[in-house]
Amino acid sequence: EIVMTQSPATLSVSPGERATLSCRASQSVSTNLAWYQQKPGQAPRLLIYAASTRATGIPARFSGSGSGTEFTLTISSLQSEDFAVYYCQQYNKGPPITFGQGTRLDIK
Amino acid sequence: EVQLVQSGAEVKKPGESLKISCKGSGYSFTTYWIGWVRQMPGKGLEWMGIIYPRDSDTRYNPSFQGQVTISVDNSISTAYLQWSSLKASDTAIYYCVSWVYGYFDYWGQGNLVTVSS
Repeated sequence: EIVMTQSPATLSVSPGERATLSCRASQSVSTNLAWYQQKPGQAPRLLIYAASTRATGIPARFSGSGSGTEFTLTISSLQSEDFAVYYCQQYNKGPPITFGQGTRLDIK
Repeated sequence: EVQLVQSGAEVKKPGESLKISCKGSGYSFTTYWIGWVRQMPGKGLEWMGIIYPRDSDTRYNPSFQGQVTISVDNSISTAYLQWSSLKASDTAIYYCVSWVYGYFDYWGQGNLVTVSS
């Protein structure tokens, strides 16, 4: 099973600043990586797939990068609605599918 | 518009059985994999399994194999997740998801399942 490790566990950033979230895979997943956002009391929402492609309706301030084992989600200028928990997920070669443990993005 | 609408919250006792549902609409139900994701209280996301409605091909996370059963009823575009004997540790929110090319593009609203004596 591929283990996904996200860092940091919690990130405190001021509105308007840039946030950079990391995700590492225990073995190469090529670009078979997705990012999700989850707000309290809500279902997760797909942000990014194929490591860098924004899902439908996702603002341009969200961007993804990386390949192999190292990935990054960048939010260029944080808005109040962006404070949430973010998960990465690998889907290399199909099941089993694994998620990272999440990064909580807090208001500084 | 694609929608996955799940059945309501459940409160059960240990040892009881349960079947929760997820109705898909706004797309061709039989042509996309559909699956389930668990989120225990205050914890992260865990993939449980997926099923291809057209032929009922089902893949389980080894951690959930034998603990739950995933099925579909194509006549009503509905997927199911069921337990034969619930445990307190099954207390969680369960999300129905559509799985396309490896990622989950649509999510149901979630089913809170509480198992308590």
